[in-house]
Amino acid sequence: AQTVTQSQPEMSVQEAETVTLSCTYDTSESDYYLFWYKQPPSRQMILVIRQEAYKQQNATENRFSVNFQKAAKSFSLKISDSQLGDAAMYFCALSQGETSGSRLTFGEGTQLTVNP
Amino acid sequence: DTGVSQDPRHKITKRGQNVTFRCDPISEHNRLYWYRQTLGQGPEFLTYFQNEAQLEKSRLLSDRFSAERPKGSFSTLEIQRTEQGDSAMYLCASSPRGLGYEKLFFGSGTQLSVL
Repeated sequence: AQTVTQSQPEMSVQEAETVTLSCTYDTSESDYYLFWYKQPPSRQMILVIRQEAYKQQNATENRFSVNFQKAAKSFSLKISDSQLGDAAMYFCALSQGETSGSRLTFGEGTQLTVNP
Repeated sequence: DTGVSQDPRHKITKRGQNVTFRCDPISEHNRLYWYRQTLGQGPEFLTYFQNEAQLEKSRLLSDRFSAERPKGSFSTLEIQRTEQGDSAMYLCASSPRGLGYEKLFFGSGTQLSVL
């Protein structure tokens, strides 16, 4: 069985500053994918960024980047130049490769507050 | 791309009643998922369809729960004899082919309250 753990229930950041959200996971598979999804008050989950486990290079999407440490099974999200619109619940998620399709295991979430 | 739509957005019911939710995925997406999310938790997988075939069901999906996707288009999730523990948000998602790296497109969910 796979697990995803987010140890920070809440985080806050000042507008324009940088914040890092933590995530650790456990899986026995060698082929898997990691994701960060954002859930704003509208409740609709939106993909922020994704990482293929076989790629050593960390993924980046504009102001969002990850620090993927495969040996440590760690997958943190860094948000640079934080904006008010970044305030949301952030979920780390794991997909166990092609055999399970896109079935995701989610962490508990981190509520991010952005202070003006 | 009109997105994934779910209906109703909110449902309040009394314990013991049956409820049914509907999900309309993005039209060309073959894979459809149902998740359940309780307050303060991440979504938990319930079941998924590849076209009209239901390929996997979680242990969370008791005999009171049934899901269908006739003709591989929209899907329904029915809960019979609802219990207070069924109160949660039920999320639907779809993806083009169900490959591991694919982005899931989520609906806004149906919030169920069982009184």
